[in-house]
Amino acid sequence: EIVLTQSPDFQSVTPKEKVTITCRASQSIGSSLHWYQQKPDQSPKLLIKYASQSISGVPSRFSGSGSGTDFTLTINSLEAEDAATYYCHQSSSLPLTFGGGTKVEIK
Amino acid sequence: QVQLVESGGGVVQPGGSLRLSCAASGFTFSSYGMHWVRQAPGKGLEWVAFIRYDGSNKYYADSVKGRFTISRDNSKNTLYLQMNSLRAEDTAVYYCAKESYIAAAGRGAFDIWGQGTMVTVSS
Repeated sequence: EIVLTQSPDFQSVTPKEKVTITCRASQSIGSSLHWYQQKPDQSPKLLIKYASQSISGVPSRFSGSGSGTDFTLTINSLEAEDAATYYCHQSSSLPLTFGGGTKVEIK
Repeated sequence: QVQLVESGGGVVQPGGSLRLSCAASGFTFSSYGMHWVRQAPGKGLEWVAFIRYDGSNKYYADSVKGRFTISRDNSKNTLYLQMNSLRAEDTAVYYCAKESYIAAAGRGAFDIWGQGTMVTVSS
């Protein structure tokens, strides 16, 4: 099973700040890494697929990078509505797995 | 619009059974692989099961293998999860999710999620 380790677990950020969340895979997964945003009492929402591919309707301040074992989700100029928990997910091999999540709080 | 709507959750005693449904609309259901993902209260996301677009292949997390069965009825645009021998640790919100492209065969991102249905296993 591929283990995804996200860091940090929690981040308190001021609006307009830049946020960087990392996801490290226990073995190489190529670009089969996806990012989701989950707000309280809502379903997860796809933000980035295949490490860096943007999703229609997702604000351009969200971007992804990386390949192999190390991946990054970047939120440029954080907005209040970005308060949420962010998860990475690998689809390289079964069982599919998720990272533990990173909670982003707005100061 | 593209939509997934789960139903069938509830409270069940340990050892009991439940069947969840996920009604799909707004896309060609029969062309996409589908997944179940769960989230225990206050916890992260856990993948549960996958079924290919035509039902020919199914895969399960070890934690549910032998107890849960994923299935689909493409004529009714509906995905199912039959859950037997339920345990307290199965308590969670269960989401159905659609793969992001045709023939992804379990290798796609989840581009559409349902609102979730709560399953509580308690005596």
